[in-house]
Amino acid sequence: QKEVEQDPGPLSVPEGAIVSLNCTYSNSAFQYFMWYRQYSRKGPELLMYTYSSGNKEDGRFTAQVDKSSKYISLFIRDSQPSDSATYLCAARREAGNMLTFGGGTRLMVKP
Amino acid sequence: DGGITQSPKYLFRKEGQNVTLSCEQNLNHDAMYWYRQDPGQGLRLIYYSQIVNDFQKGDIAEGYSVSREKKESFPLTVTSAQKNPTAFYLCASSRMTDFNQPQHFGDGTRLSIL
Repeated sequence: QKEVEQDPGPLSVPEGAIVSLNCTYSNSAFQYFMWYRQYSRKGPELLMYTYSSGNKEDGRFTAQVDKSSKYISLFIRDSQPSDSATYLCAARREAGNMLTFGGGTRLMVKP
Repeated sequence: DGGITQSPKYLFRKEGQNVTLSCEQNLNHDAMYWYRQDPGQGLRLIYYSQIVNDFQKGDIAEGYSVSREKKESFPLTVTSAQKNPTAFYLCASSRMTDFNQPQHFGDGTRLSIL
């Protein structure tokens, strides 16, 4: 079993929709959680970075961590065609900086 | 602009050949990392280095080698021992002095077999 799991998609939504992207993880030692956006043929770009449980909001993006259920979510409001990309979740322990990545979810926002 | 530069963008390898992928950063980051990404899969760690002249194996180091002679440079060699080298290779860097600092990535090198 992978330590961080994501549905690969693709997830297709109309422009303006609210998008919910999710990950589950199995390692209780994970304390930091990240969402990266990756456009085709590009490197991942950090979107959100959260510590432990709770919510974090940045513009149209909200990251949510529920450590009791080991569930990580990214919500995108008012989705745009430019949001079409692969979204990778990642997690790491308290000490060190080794990341464990999910496989990524491909999102397509149609105009 | 500060960032991570990977070169070349595309690389082709012949059977039995070693090839070297370049990664340079001007972010003054201490730590650097190499990942491999296969279609539909997450990133898997090949090697990482937290300080000059020191590096550690990641999850899939077999068939790869690295060096860290300068803080800003962390080249990856894909040796002939790596039997399935076709993949997208990503370099990343981060600060080590502050655990709240995440990893930042370059734009990758796509390696294919001729």
